[in-house]
Amino acid sequence: GAVVSQHPSRVICKSGTSVKIECRSLDFQATTMFWYRQFPKQSLMLMATSNEGSKATYEQGVEKDKFLINHASLTLSTLTVTSAHPEDSSFYICSAWAVLAKNIQYFGAGTRLSVL
Amino acid sequence: GENVEQHPSTLSVQEGDSAVIKCTYSDSASNYFPWYKQELGKGPQLIIDIRSNVGEKKDQRIAVTLNKTAKHFSLHITETQPEDSAVYFCAAEIAGGTSYGKLTFGQGTILTVHP
Repeated sequence: GAVVSQHPSRVICKSGTSVKIECRSLDFQATTMFWYRQFPKQSLMLMATSNEGSKATYEQGVEKDKFLINHASLTLSTLTVTSAHPEDSSFYICSAWAVLAKNIQYFGAGTRLSVL
Repeated sequence: GENVEQHPSTLSVQEGDSAVIKCTYSDSASNYFPWYKQELGKGPQLIIDIRSNVGEKKDQRIAVTLNKTAKHFSLHITETQPEDSAVYFCAAEIAGGTSYGKLTFGQGTILTVHP
């Protein structure tokens, strides 16, 4: 299957700082990338849908000013958690999708964010 | 919107036994149903998927069945091995709809295979 690279795999930061997470599709051009949040022992919760060159579409209840998404190219999307607080600590996962990639969502390995 | 229910939430089997996980969906327009395996601390990995134009698909020890009329689909793992232990998620998508690629996930099943 296709490869989606997500970095960093783990980040620990102080409260009030911002953290950027990168998601790259390595072997196909992703027209759409998705960002999920996952709490322990729970399912994936979609945060936003990101299309290259346009503004991200956020799910209800997700603060767009808190979670900034940039999808500047067909192979790179970034999620920036601004002014992080302990309640933002979670596992963040991205995925990449394209019609030419057989309509399949390929997931990154996830980023464990811990805010102290 | 689409709602996907997954059962059971936990499943414990002996090595060599079969495991079955079931999901139901609410939107009859859904036409793509992937299954993902997620190991601890990792991202989900696609293990098998099925589209609404077929009723069954098999890949070695893994099979998926789809009943469009009843709106449910199931994952079957035969001859389970300890390395099959993980969390499994089903999902549904209206492929070709306005929400391109958007998946609705089930709640997940923690599968434990005992040696």
